[in-house]
Amino acid sequence: EIVLTQSPGTLSLSPGERATLSCRASQTVRNNHLAWYQQKPGQAPRLLIYGAFTRTTGIPDRFSGSGSGTDFTLTISRLEPEDFAVYYCQQYDSSPLFGGGTTVEIK
Amino acid sequence: EVQLVESGGGLVQPGGSLRLSCTASGFTFSSYAMYWVRQAPGKGLEFLSGISNNGGSTYYANSVKGRFTISRDNSKNMMYLQMGSLRAEDMAVYYCASAPRGEIIPAALDFWGQGTLVTVSS
Repeated sequence: EIVLTQSPGTLSLSPGERATLSCRASQTVRNNHLAWYQQKPGQAPRLLIYGAFTRTTGIPDRFSGSGSGTDFTLTISRLEPEDFAVYYCQQYDSSPLFGGGTTVEIK
Repeated sequence: EVQLVESGGGLVQPGGSLRLSCTASGFTFSSYAMYWVRQAPGKGLEFLSGISNNGGSTYYANSVKGRFTISRDNSKNMMYLQMGSLRAEDMAVYYCASAPRGEIIPAALDFWGQGTLVTVSS
């Protein structure tokens, strides 16, 4: 079973700064079947990116995904106030599972 | 507008059973795979189970295999999770979610309900 490790656990940044979130898999994620979700307190997760780099409808282009194989990255180019949240990666190629999450908090 | 609404959560004793329901609207339910994901208080997301669009294929995480059963009724636009032998560690918010394809895997989860809380306590 693939294990996903997200780092850092918490990222403290100011609005306008760039956020770089990492998701590392214990084995190759085939076909780039890697997604990113955003979750705000008291809300359900929201799909941001699938296929490692494809944004879902309505997701601003300040969100971008990259990577392949075992190393994936979610980048938020300039943080807006509404972007402070918890972010999860998920591999969905086989035995789907989520990473432990990265909290992006206001510095 | 796609809507997924979970129901059936509540307080149950350890060892007990509970059935969760997910009511879907705003899309052709019978065309898409459906899933259950849970989140324990203050913890991360845990993928539990999935069912293909026609109900012919199911998937379970090891943590619930043999205790939980996923099913769906396409005539009612509903999905279910029958949970048995509940333990304290099953206490969580349970979300239903959908994916933009008929097979369970591979699929990212594009729509989510707001969740229903299951509390396991004596």
